[in-house]
Amino acid sequence: KAGVTQTPRYLIKTRGQQVTLSCSPISGHRSVSWYQQTPGQGLQFLFEYFSETQRNKGNFPGRFSGRQFSNSRSEMNVSTLELGDSALYLCASSPPGLAGGTDTQYFGPGTRLTVL
Amino acid sequence: SQQGEEDPQALSIQEGENATMNCSYKTSINNLQWYRQNSGRGLVHLILIRSNEREKHSGRLRVTLDTSKKSSSLLITASRAADTASYFCATDLNTGGFKTIFGAGTRLFVKA
Repeated sequence: KAGVTQTPRYLIKTRGQQVTLSCSPISGHRSVSWYQQTPGQGLQFLFEYFSETQRNKGNFPGRFSGRQFSNSRSEMNVSTLELGDSALYLCASSPPGLAGGTDTQYFGPGTRLTVL
Repeated sequence: SQQGEEDPQALSIQEGENATMNCSYKTSINNLQWYRQNSGRGLVHLILIRSNEREKHSGRLRVTLDTSKKSSSLLITASRAADTASYFCATDLNTGGFKTIFGAGTRLFVKA
């Protein structure tokens, strides 16, 4: 099975622009989560989607949004980029377990976003 | 604030030695997981231990969980240079679905 894929792998944007990142989960996985990783804040949970619905959300401003399509692929969007949004954005997928949140998450390689 | 906090922040050992990393968390959990990350790449899942388990082994890895102390430890035995990486503990809060909270990580350097 192919792993989690993320596109693009690298991205450079300027302040004020918006960006869309894409994540394709492992086939059969319906849960997709997004994380932001920065040297200062570490790994922080952004949100989780399951069957096209946002199931959980972290503490990020409304500039960060996401969605999931019927094929489980997910996108996240960041509007009005700020310098502090420079980070590695990771997505992870998980198979549906007996109860959500009890299974392993499989991570993609990440998209490294640089905001100038 | 982060749920999991690792200790130590950094660890440098010789190849062949054992490495122990500790993690503490704040609230009740469904499970606790350990991940490895090489040089800012994606995370690799190492081991998951459920809240009703006390110890788990996987190859050279041994994880313990003490829910009364809200702590876990990861032991890597007979370390190798290839084990050089950052190690994170992660906990899932008792919500439906995933809301995984990661600790700050321990940077392990294994010298050949």
